Amino acid sequence: EVQLVESGGGLVQPGRSLRLSCAASGFTFDDYAMHWVRQAPGKGLEWVSGISWNSGSIGYADSVKGRFTISRDNAKNSLYLQMNSLRAEDTAFYYCAKDTAAGTYYFDYWGQGTLVTVSS
Amino acid sequence: SSELTQDPAVSVALGQTVRITCQGDSLRSYYASWYQQKPGQAPVLVIYGKNNRPSGIPDRFSGSNSGNTASLTITGAQAEDEADYYCNSRDSSGNHLGYVFGTGTKVTVL
Repeated sequence: EVQLVESGGGLVQPGRSLRLSCAASGFTFDDYAMHWVRQAPGKGLEWVSGISWNSGSIGYADSVKGRFTISRDNAKNSLYLQMNSLRAEDTAFYYCAKDTAAGTYYFDYWGQGTLVTVSS
Repeated sequence: SSELTQDPAVSVALGQTVRITCQGDSLRSYYASWYQQKPGQAPVLVIYGKNNRPSGIPDRFSGSNSGNTASLTITGAQAEDEADYYCNSRDSSGNHLGYVFGTGTKVTVL
């Protein structure tokens, strides 16, 4: 059974940093790209960042570019999101999502999410 | 980046059919996928590719694509189908590994 479990969320002051983690199990982690998707309370889904299976390709939404860094450790079956210079508008549930086979382009499994609240 | 536009809300009588549409330039290059999200829960994939359903998704859910528009149809809507639905596709604007989500449609089953 595929499982994605996010952790690391919490309350943080504006301008500070936070690191999210996603522990993956139930599939061959290093075969797939992985992504972070967020959802502000009461709002829609927003793709945040993605990383290829070997970390060779990385992408970011314009809203987080230069502040967030995605990474992965295939030996630990883990995905990370380092979030720096946090803003109130970064407040959201952050979901880890698994990509699918190359050329198919969708997210077949999602974690339950971790809440990040940026507030003084 | 690309944008995908959905109607904010639709309603459907129990047992009737409802179609949700998603429009955007990226759909000319990539198929849409569709996700169902109920309050307090993570999104769940319901349709992907040309018109494919993951295991466990009822066959009352179907998808179609034409030009810059993708559609999700629920034929014989059930009370448990009441949820928010989001379309999604690869971003065709050049953002590497990028995806774009639709604005979301709230489906109410009357």
